[in-house]
Amino acid sequence: DAGVIQSPRHEVTEMGQEVTLRCKPISGHNSLFWYRQTMMRGLELLIYFNNNVPIDDSGMPEDRFSAKMPNASFSTLKIQPSEPRDSAVYFCASRPSGANVLTFGAGSRLTVL
Amino acid sequence: DQQVKQNSPSLSVQEGRISILNCDYTNSMFDYFLWYKKYPAEGPTFLISISSIKDKNEDGRFTVFLNKSAKHLSLHIVPSQPGDSAVYFCAASGKTSYDKVIFGPGTSLSVIP
Repeated sequence: DAGVIQSPRHEVTEMGQEVTLRCKPISGHNSLFWYRQTMMRGLELLIYFNNNVPIDDSGMPEDRFSAKMPNASFSTLKIQPSEPRDSAVYFCASRPSGANVLTFGAGSRLTVL
Repeated sequence: DQQVKQNSPSLSVQEGRISILNCDYTNSMFDYFLWYKKYPAEGPTFLISISSIKDKNEDGRFTVFLNKSAKHLSLHIVPSQPGDSAVYFCAASGKTSYDKVIFGPGTSLSVIP
């Protein structure tokens, strides 16, 4: 298996632009998580899905952030409009049913100028 | 309000000595605890875990200890090696595999040759 695949690996954009980050979980995993890593807060949970359904989005910082999981093999995290304080590394992780261990992707480094 | 705390942002240890990384949690509903290791420009990778029904779990050079009454866990690495230099994240989850996984802010370990 190729693991959790995230794209793009790096994104540089200007303030006010829309950003879309993508994630393909491991086949057969039914839970998907989005995290943001910053120096101040470490790995911060933004939202997670079970069987494509959002379970907890209390970590989504503002209405500018939205996430979707239209099917079991794809999820997006969208920021619109983006701001410089959104600059961070965003990680996607997935987990199979019955397990507690998450497998992470390599991350998407976002820089908003 | 951080539910998982790692109060030491960094730690330096001589090669061959023991590294002890600490983690505290506040939510008594947490039932499963994990440690992840992260190298720069990579996603976190799973290292070792422990269920709340145990107080110790060992895997090679890595041992995790859990003190439920104190809501405290620690990761011991013996002997420490330069390749262990990384950021270590403590994480906690509820009883079911559908629960969210909350991470601490991380501790950066440097093992000095």
